[in-house]
Amino acid sequence: NFMLTQPHSVSESPGKTVTISCTRSSGSIASNYVQWYQQRPGSSPTTVIYEDNQRPSGVPDRFSGSIDSSSNSASLTISGLKTEDEADYYCQSFDSSNYVFGSGTKVTVL
Amino acid sequence: EVQLVESGGGLVQPGRSLRLSCRTSGFTFGDYAMSWVRQAPGKGLEWVAFIRSKFYGGTPEYAASVKGRFIISRDDSENTAYLQMNSLRTEDTAVYYCASLPGYYFDYWGQGTLVTVSS
Repeated sequence: NFMLTQPHSVSESPGKTVTISCTRSSGSIASNYVQWYQQRPGSSPTTVIYEDNQRPSGVPDRFSGSIDSSSNSASLTISGLKTEDEADYYCQSFDSSNYVFGSGTKVTVL
Repeated sequence: EVQLVESGGGLVQPGRSLRLSCRTSGFTFGDYAMSWVRQAPGKGLEWVAFIRSKFYGGTPEYAASVKGRFIISRDDSENTAYLQMNSLRTEDTAVYYCASLPGYYFDYWGQGTLVTVSS
């Protein structure tokens, strides 16, 4: 099985842009879709990106996803940062009937 | 409106059993795979199990950490998924979420139910 590694935390000021990386330990990042979930304190997770770069309805276009085969990683970018974006973010992928989550990144809006 | 409501959590001694339920509404339950995901206190998300829709055989898959101890099932007539947890360990202490699986991602999530395994 593979692991997905994320930075422990990132912080930035309102209005700025943050990018969270998610690096796959083995196997190609492009071989299975990557998803991103937002979890605000005390709440259940919600999907912000699915299938690498698709946004569910209701998720603002400030959220975008991408994958980079050269670094074997996926990224979540949040532009025009708002205080409401302060949360934990988890990447997730799938392989051989196993779902794998990243370790999570805490986004702090200064 | 899509709703997933978990129930059945509580305090249980190590080695005992507990059964969680996930009642759903607002979507065609039988068309979806269903999954359980847990989160230990202060920790990240961990996938536990999923069960395919009847169209795809209704077969289950489990994380290595629970295989042989947990059983996932579904009742499409009741729009409900279940997680039977046997031989519980202290490390199974977590909030357990159910989630719908339209594909390779978790779509709708419940509010979670807390399971505490302690003597």
